[in-house]
Amino acid sequence: DIQMTQSPSSVSVSVGDRVTIACRASQDINTWLAWYQQKPGKAPNLLIYAASTLQTGVPSRFSGSGSGTDFTLTISSLQPEDLATYFCHQGNIFPFAFGQGTRLEIK
Amino acid sequence: QVQLQESGPGLVKPSQTLSLTCTVSGDSLTSGDYYWNWIRQPPGKGLEWVGYISYSGSTYYNPSLKSRLTISLDTSKNQFSLRLRSVTAADTAVYYCARDDGRGLGYWGQGTLVTVSS
Repeated sequence: DIQMTQSPSSVSVSVGDRVTIACRASQDINTWLAWYQQKPGKAPNLLIYAASTLQTGVPSRFSGSGSGTDFTLTISSLQPEDLATYFCHQGNIFPFAFGQGTRLEIK
Repeated sequence: QVQLQESGPGLVKPSQTLSLTCTVSGDSLTSGDYYWNWIRQPPGKGLEWVGYISYSGSTYYNPSLKSRLTISLDTSKNQFSLRLRSVTAADTAVYYCARDDGRGLGYWGQGTLVTVSS
């Protein structure tokens, strides 16, 4: 099975910061990687698919990059509404799998 | 606008069967190349992919659950369902249904908490 490993598990940030979250797959998944944002008590929300394609309606401060085994989610200038937990997800090779999540907290 | 809504008992006894239904509105289960997923999240923990059923009825399950799991379609009601047998406390989680159109899980239900307890 493919393991998805995110780093860091949590990070303290300030409004306006540039934030980078990493996701590593245990084997090559090409660009079959999506990123989700989850706020407390809510369902996850799709931000990016195919590693770097922004979902409709998602602010342009979010971006994704990578292919193969190493991927990155970047928030160029953190806004208060971005405080949440972020998950990566590979949906190409069975069984599909999520990373363990990265929680953004206020510094 | 596509909407998904989970429904089912919030409390299930150990060793019994957990049954949930996801009702889809705003689109047909079989109108496109869609994959109808179940994902779960134990309280305070991460997301676990449970399995999916395709628009054509093909199913793929997480191997960790495969022996206990059935996902099915009811096109007449525009619903898909999950049945998980022989549950234990480890199956306590918020269960989400979600649609994948090949570009990620773009539509989710709000989630339903299922607690396994006697």
